[in-house]
Amino acid sequence: GQNIDQPTEMTATEGAIVQINCTYQTSGFNGLFWYQQHAGEAPTFLSYNVLDGLEEKGRFSSFLSRSKGYSYLLLKELQMKDSASYLCAVRDLSSGSARQLTFGSGTQLTVLP
Amino acid sequence: SQTIHQWPATLVQPVGSPLSLECTVEGTSNPNLYWYRQAAGRGLQLLFYSVGIGQISSEVPQNLSASRPQDRQFILSSKKLLLSDSGFYLCAWSVPGRRSYYMNTEAFFGQGTRLTVV
Repeated sequence: GQNIDQPTEMTATEGAIVQINCTYQTSGFNGLFWYQQHAGEAPTFLSYNVLDGLEEKGRFSSFLSRSKGYSYLLLKELQMKDSASYLCAVRDLSSGSARQLTFGSGTQLTVLP
Repeated sequence: SQTIHQWPATLVQPVGSPLSLECTVEGTSNPNLYWYRQAAGRGLQLLFYSVGIGQISSEVPQNLSASRPQDRQFILSSKKLLLSDSGFYLCAWSVPGRRSYYMNTEAFFGQGTRLTVV
């Protein structure tokens, strides 16, 4: 099975930088995803890492270290609209190709003016 | 392009009543389909997944069931709802079959159903 840990809550100021960490334990790791979920809405895809290193996409970047079972999502130039829950999800192929994603509990980010 | 539809958006049901949530996907064939539940302030819990018509796998024991009567239709049901069934239910689909190691097979989510059992 999988074990995914991320902080429950974080608070940051508009214009600042925030890093949301995620650690995982899985036997058949095949990719890590970050999703953004605003209250009452469905999650939307932000980033995907399968190799070690940093993936940058505009204000958002995601980092992966497979040997450490560790990822982080970096949000720069924070805006009020970035207030949301950020979900870390791991794909584990040891459970079969259909059972693809296991989600963490999410980190609720609050951006203050 | 692919789209996923899920309804209803909100539902208030009394304890002991039946439940039927429907999800349909357009623009793709033989998708993997998923039902997730999200309790308030919690992550997504996988309830059921399906790799094809009539093929349902259950992840957690519960009083819910799922069916896939057509390739792109996924239904979540209950004969008698419990208070603990309240939550945000999300249907999702992903690209089917074995994928390249480098291919991003993310899950695409419907808009969700907010179920309140009273």
